[in-house]
Amino acid sequence: SQQGEEDPQALSIQEGENATMNCSYKTSINNLQWYRQNSGRGLVHLILIRSNEREKHSGRLRVTLDTSKKSSSLLITASRAADTASYFCATEGISNFGNEKLTFGTGTRLTIIP
Amino acid sequence: SQTIHQWPATLVQPVGSPLSLECTVEGTSNPNLYWYRQAAGRGLQLLFYSVGIGQISSEVPQNLSASRPQDRQFILSSKKLLLSDSGFYLCAWKQRGTGELFFGEGSRLTVL
Repeated sequence: SQQGEEDPQALSIQEGENATMNCSYKTSINNLQWYRQNSGRGLVHLILIRSNEREKHSGRLRVTLDTSKKSSSLLITASRAADTASYFCATEGISNFGNEKLTFGTGTRLTIIP
Repeated sequence: SQTIHQWPATLVQPVGSPLSLECTVEGTSNPNLYWYRQAAGRGLQLLFYSVGIGQISSEVPQNLSASRPQDRQFILSSKKLLLSDSGFYLCAWKQRGTGELFFGEGSRLTVL
C-alpha cells in the first residue's frame, strides 16, 4: 500500500523559479526521505529528515517535516532545466517482522521550462 | 565504493514464460536487499525484502518469488508470467540501521 501521497502530481515552472512539492503520510515514521528519478532510470537519494527534525537543507534543497500533520515539503530553489525529473517521498517504518523498509509515494513530475 | 548491478535492463517475454531478474551488490556486506515494481507513471510498490541469506519477506501476494542465495545476490523469479507482471523492476540495498536506499538502474519487463 502507498504510505505517501505527493502533491501536486505534476508541476511545470520556469527556470529560475522555486519548486515546492508536498507529501502526506498516514502512520508514525522513523524518518522521511526524498528521492529523484530521471525518466527510465533508478532512483537517487536526495535528503533524509528524521522524525525529531523539523527542517533540513542540502544545497538548493530544503525539506520540512511536520509530524503533527504527517506532512513534508521539498523546496527546490533557483530551479534548473536539469532538475526536470520525478520526485518521490518515502517513509521508513517498522514492518511486522521488525525490519526496515521504505514505502514510497506516487511522485511529483517536475518539468522546468528553459 | 559500493555499486549495485541489475540485469537484464530490458526484457520482452510471452505470457506463461519464466522470469529471472538478477541483482548483485559490491563493496558492502550483509546489506538489506529490496525488490520494487513501478507501473508506468506510478509510484513504487515494495515486492520483497531480505535481511540475510535465505531470508525473504513478501509484501504482496503475487505471481512472483524472490531468493537470496548469496549475501549480495538477490533474484526475482516467476514460473509463468502474466500480462499484469509488466513493469519497471528496481533492486535496491541499504545498510541496516541507516536510512538511505541505493537503487539499481532497473529492469523493464514487457509481457506480451
